[in-house]
Amino acid sequence: DGGITQSPKYLFRKEGQNVTLSCEQNLNHDAMYWYRQDPGQGLRLIYYSQIVNDFQKGDIAEGYSVSREKKESFPLTVTSAQKNPTAFYLCASIQRGRGELFFGEGSRLTVL
Amino acid sequence: AQSVTQPDIHITVSEGASLELRCNYSYGATPYLFWYVQSPGQGLQLLLKYFSGDTLVQGIKGFEAEFKRSQSSFNLRKPSVHWSDAAEYFCAVGVYNNDMRFGAGTRLTVKP
Repeated sequence: DGGITQSPKYLFRKEGQNVTLSCEQNLNHDAMYWYRQDPGQGLRLIYYSQIVNDFQKGDIAEGYSVSREKKESFPLTVTSAQKNPTAFYLCASIQRGRGELFFGEGSRLTVL
Repeated sequence: AQSVTQPDIHITVSEGASLELRCNYSYGATPYLFWYVQSPGQGLQLLLKYFSGDTLVQGIKGFEAEFKRSQSSFNLRKPSVHWSDAAEYFCAVGVYNNDMRFGAGTRLTVKP
């Protein structure tokens, strides 16, 4: 079955460390997104990519970085510059023209 | 900029009672409108969507939503709530696939 796979599901990080969250999709979707979810704040857009080798900042890109070297992959790096990285991170993808986001199961990052 | 407001942070209903979750949006044109549901620690699942046409939209799990242009609203309804409907519900607004905005979410508790 097609879908979006995020890994790891749970991740613990010490302060000052960079971590990378994986997102892979086999839906052949053009665009991919990263959202951050905190209690009571809904989903906030970190980065999105419409095509390979191109990506744009969302509302809260500071302290994060991404790459889009392959259509099916859109990894997110949470850098040590992110002041409050503990959150639930969701990856999503969309087929251009359909307007409907498909989501992965999420990755929960905890900074110790 | 487009925005989405879900006025109710938390709603409690009795099992078998009817449900209405409110969503208001702000956008210059008619956007794409969505309702998603999220169980704890999981990704988001699409309940229904509105792109154009009939303003009453049927979704999965017995949910429906009505688009009211004059009120800039897209409220979610279900005639009879089941205990398994307890979850968090997100309204979202999108334009093509460039920018998807989410409300803060409404947490639904179902009383036995």
